[in-house]
Amino acid sequence: SQQGEEDPQALSIQEGENATMNCSYKTSINNLQWYRQNSGRGLVHLILIRSNEREKHSGRLRVTLDTSKKSSSLLITASRAADTASYFCATDARQAGTALIFGKGTTLSVSS
Amino acid sequence: DTGVSQDPRHKITKRGQNVTFRCDPISEHNRLYWYRQTLGQGPEFLTYFQNEAQLEKSRLLSDRFSAERPKGSFSTLEIQRTEQGDSAMYLCASSLAGGEKLFFGSGTQLSVL
Repeated sequence: SQQGEEDPQALSIQEGENATMNCSYKTSINNLQWYRQNSGRGLVHLILIRSNEREKHSGRLRVTLDTSKKSSSLLITASRAADTASYFCATDARQAGTALIFGKGTTLSVSS
Repeated sequence: DTGVSQDPRHKITKRGQNVTFRCDPISEHNRLYWYRQTLGQGPEFLTYFQNEAQLEKSRLLSDRFSAERPKGSFSTLEIQRTEQGDSAMYLCASSLAGGEKLFFGSGTQLSVL
């Protein structure tokens, strides 16, 4: 089963624009992570935000977490064509030893 | 650091055949995970190991699927009597125990004809 649901399913923007993706989840979490996947490849970790954090930055990425709404957003600023990929949120349930559960992803297309 | 490697990258098989995939994690990582991903979906958790112990299995993992990690290093995932519904990308990931970030391999794409 999948814990997270990303929104939108697909997003098309021009280079230089910002891209925002949202993730909603169902159960209490320890942390939430975002991963990126280029077509036909494995996933690459982007950023992790803990349940007691509200916002985190890494380069052009900004992640927010609202545990009361069980939701997170990923903002990519000044998008580049190389940002074209699928983006997934992943959560861990609060029981120890439970593996990460991924959402269905947002497919981002950045055109030059 | 050579990363997580998976072999083969692609596998085409006929329905009813058995297939086996291999995953070599990052050498110092003692946790190893298997996920399955179909087109347009996120990875679905199958099972994970800490060292050689298989600690968790998803209900998705039918009795046709078996995974091993005999010496706590590489792992194999075997699917017996493959079905067309088994066609998917099989992803392996590793992490340090207590580490939260997963490092993924490039996956094995399985096509069952």
